[in-house]
Amino acid sequence: TQLLEQSPQFLSIQEGENLTVYCNSSSVFSSLQWYRQEPGEGPVLLVTVVTGGEVKKLKRLTFQFGDARKDSSLHITAAQPGDTGLYLCAGFNSGGSNYKLTFGKGTLLTVNP
Amino acid sequence: DTEVTQTPKHLVMGMTNKKSLKCEQHMGHRAMYWYKQKAKKPPELMFVYSYEKLSINESVPSRFSPECPNSSLLNLHLHALQPEDSALYLCASSQNLVLSWGATNEKLFFGSGTQLSVL
Repeated sequence: TQLLEQSPQFLSIQEGENLTVYCNSSSVFSSLQWYRQEPGEGPVLLVTVVTGGEVKKLKRLTFQFGDARKDSSLHITAAQPGDTGLYLCAGFNSGGSNYKLTFGKGTLLTVNP
Repeated sequence: DTEVTQTPKHLVMGMTNKKSLKCEQHMGHRAMYWYKQKAKKPPELMFVYSYEKLSINESVPSRFSPECPNSSLLNLHLHALQPEDSALYLCASSQNLVLSWGATNEKLFFGSGTQLSVL
């Protein structure tokens, strides 16, 4: 089983600050996904990164896939209270004859006004 | 319609009760999933259905019984649960089941979940 380690596990910052969340594995992934989950809701897909070294931007969020496709990062610029939530990285790994989506442990982000 | 709808949103049940969780999607997706999520933890896969057939069972106890009556519906039947089964139960769907390492950018759509409390 390919494990995804996320850091930090918890992050509490003030509005306007920048932050970076990391997702690391000892295994190579063909792609990694980032989800955000708000309290009482299901995870919502933010982005999928596929190519090693790829950088994708989604407004104030920047996602990067490592050259070796073993790690990824999420950088948020000028965080806002609306960014508060659980950020999850996820990748597909083998579950027998097909592949299943497995999540990292998540980073719980709180942005204080 | 890009929604996965789950009912009920909240459920409280005793250890001797029988209840069912329901999930519905009308996106024409052929793969549907049940995940279990404890507070402040990541979702953990329970079951995967593909074309209405059970494809993955992650060694889930038999007190959880999934059912896929048609391509749009997924149920999870609950019987004789334990208090430690209290959690958020999430349903998800995707266009297809992921079958190869290179084709792993499939997108999962999640429902809002059923918050289950077992007393």
